[in-house]
This record gives sequence, C-alpha cells and structure tokens, in this order.
Amino acid sequence: GAVVSQHPSRVICKSGTSVKIECRSLDFQATTMFWYRQFPKKSLMLMATSNEGSKATYEQGVEKDKFLINHASLTLSTLTVTSAHPEDSSFYICSARAALAGDWNEQFFGPGTRLTVL
Amino acid sequence: GENVEQHPSTLSVQEGDSAVIKCTYSDSASNYFPWYKQELGKRPQLIIDIRSNVGEKKDQRIAVTLNKTAKHFSLHITETQPEDSAVYFCAASEDGQNFVFGPGTRLSVLP
Repeated sequence: GAVVSQHPSRVICKSGTSVKIECRSLDFQATTMFWYRQFPKKSLMLMATSNEGSKATYEQGVEKDKFLINHASLTLSTLTVTSAHPEDSSFYICSARAALAGDWNEQFFGPGTRLTVL
Repeated sequence: GENVEQHPSTLSVQEGDSAVIKCTYSDSASNYFPWYKQELGKRPQLIIDIRSNVGEKKDQRIAVTLNKTAKHFSLHITETQPEDSAVYFCAASEDGQNFVFGPGTRLSVLP
C-alpha cells in the first residue's frame, strides 16, 4: 500500500516557539493532504485540507494564522504551529489521498507527531 | 455538516466472542464509510470500508453492514483475538475526501 511519512515523530519545545511538521507521500503523488489533531483518548479532528499549489481550507474554529499549512509539491505538505503554547500540545496526524484506480477514496495516514509545548 | 456518533465507547469481550460497533451519521449525502483501527500510539489503519451502493461487505473475520435508510452502519468482528484490541473509528464522507470521524470505541479482547 501507499506509504506516508511524517517528521518529526516527537517534538518538545518551549512556549512561544514555532514548530514545523512535515508530511510526505513516499511512493505516490498526493494532490490532497489532510491534517488532523488528536487529543488523548479522543477522535481525529480534521484541522485543514491541503491542496497542492493552492491555499489550505481550514475547518471552523482552526486559526489559519496559528497553523500554517504549505503544500508546495505533490509529495510534501508542512504544518507549522506558530508561537506554540501548552494548549497546542497534541498528536498531529497527516493523511494523503491517493488517486489510485479503484481506491479513490482511501486516505493513508502518517505515523503522527507528538508535540509537547512546555 | 455531518455528525457521526459511535457506540459503545468501550467494549470488552472474551477471546473468541464477537464484537459489534455501531455508528450513525446525519448527512444523507454521505456515501463512503471506512473503519479504522488505531493501536496505542500508532497511526489509524483502514481495515474495511463500504460504499452506499452496497449493504454488506466481508473480509475474513471482519464485516461491515450499512443501512442507508436508517443512516447507520456497523462493524462486526467474529472470533476475536487479543490482537484485535485497539481503538476503532468509523467515518463518513460525501466526497471521498473530507472524513468525519466518530469518537471511537476502545475494544479490549480478554484472554
């Protein structure tokens, strides 16, 4: 199946700093990538949809200036948490939609990034 | 927008027994319903999915049923094994892109 990588897997930072998370589709091209946030023992909450070459579409309640998304190529999307605060601590997971024949709906998830803001 | 509910939130079964998790959705336009399994600290993995033109789909010990009229779908796991222990999420999608996930069910299979 298609492989999605995410880097870093874990990051600890001080309050006020910015953190960049990368999401890569390794063996397929992804015109669309999705960023989710997951709190402990909770479901996946869609933050934004990232389309290659265009601006991301943010879900209601997600601050676009706080969570900057860039999808510069068909295999890479980045999420930057700007001026991070402790309440931003969470598990961030990306997924990529593969335009494979017969599997047009499936999303492949990255391994996730655990962000801890001190 | 779409709202997905999932029950139960936790489920414990004896090894070898069956487990059933149910989800309801609100948007009748949703036409794709995947189920994901997430082990502790790992990424969600697709285990089975169903589209609205099908009422039931089976893959070995796992099956999913869909009732479009009632807007609910269920995951059935038979002959459960300890490695089935995980959190299971259902999701609904209209366009195959934007998924709305249910809150999850923590399944524990007791030896």
